Amino acid sequence: EPEVTQTPSHQVTQMGQEVILRCVPISNHLYFYWYRQILGQKVEFLVSFYNNEISEKSEIFDDQFSVERPDGSNFTLKIRSTKLEDSAMYFCASSADPGWAGELFFGEGSRLTVL
Amino acid sequence: TQLLEQSPQFLSIQEGENLTVYCNSSSVFSSLQWYRQEPGEGPVLLVTVVTGGEVKKLKRLTFQFGDARKDSSLHITAAQPGDTGLYLCAGGRSNFGNEKLTFGTGTRLTIIP
Repeated sequence: EPEVTQTPSHQVTQMGQEVILRCVPISNHLYFYWYRQILGQKVEFLVSFYNNEISEKSEIFDDQFSVERPDGSNFTLKIRSTKLEDSAMYFCASSADPGWAGELFFGEGSRLTVL
Repeated sequence: TQLLEQSPQFLSIQEGENLTVYCNSSSVFSSLQWYRQEPGEGPVLLVTVVTGGEVKKLKRLTFQFGDARKDSSLHITAAQPGDTGLYLCAGGRSNFGNEKLTFGTGTRLTIIP
């Protein structure tokens, strides 16, 4: 069964360092997303991406965050200068169709710990 | 800001009992999705409801979207230990274009054998 894969599963970094989280969406999907979940809190939308550009982003997704689809398979989230409050589980998701018609398939997440 | 409140936050019941989990908001959503999340994994979609008053059944699980599309419920009949997990509701704002989901606070369900 096709799945969304994410790497690394866990990354520990020092405050101020750059971090890149990688995702391989399901191959025929066209819509890509990043969500995050701070420990004990709800899942929050960060950004959606379609046709090589950001479709929508939340207020969390400030200038320190960027996304990229560098090739035909990877979808990355970069945090330029990490802060303590960036510690969270980051989930990548993809869908074949937009809106409610398209089921979102989530990856298993990348846990980011900022020290 | 759209908020989705789930209740109860925690629920522990005996195997075989019935239960209902609620998802409430003051905002209208174009769709309402229910997910289940296991520890260390991403959410997995259970169902999507899009029409006010819609009811969908998935084996022993019954999902209902409120008439005003502001609330939803998940009812489990004859709960089994395998139903244990974190249940999340999530509301969508539009039925076209990229979907931005607002997730609820979650209900952690434990079924005691």
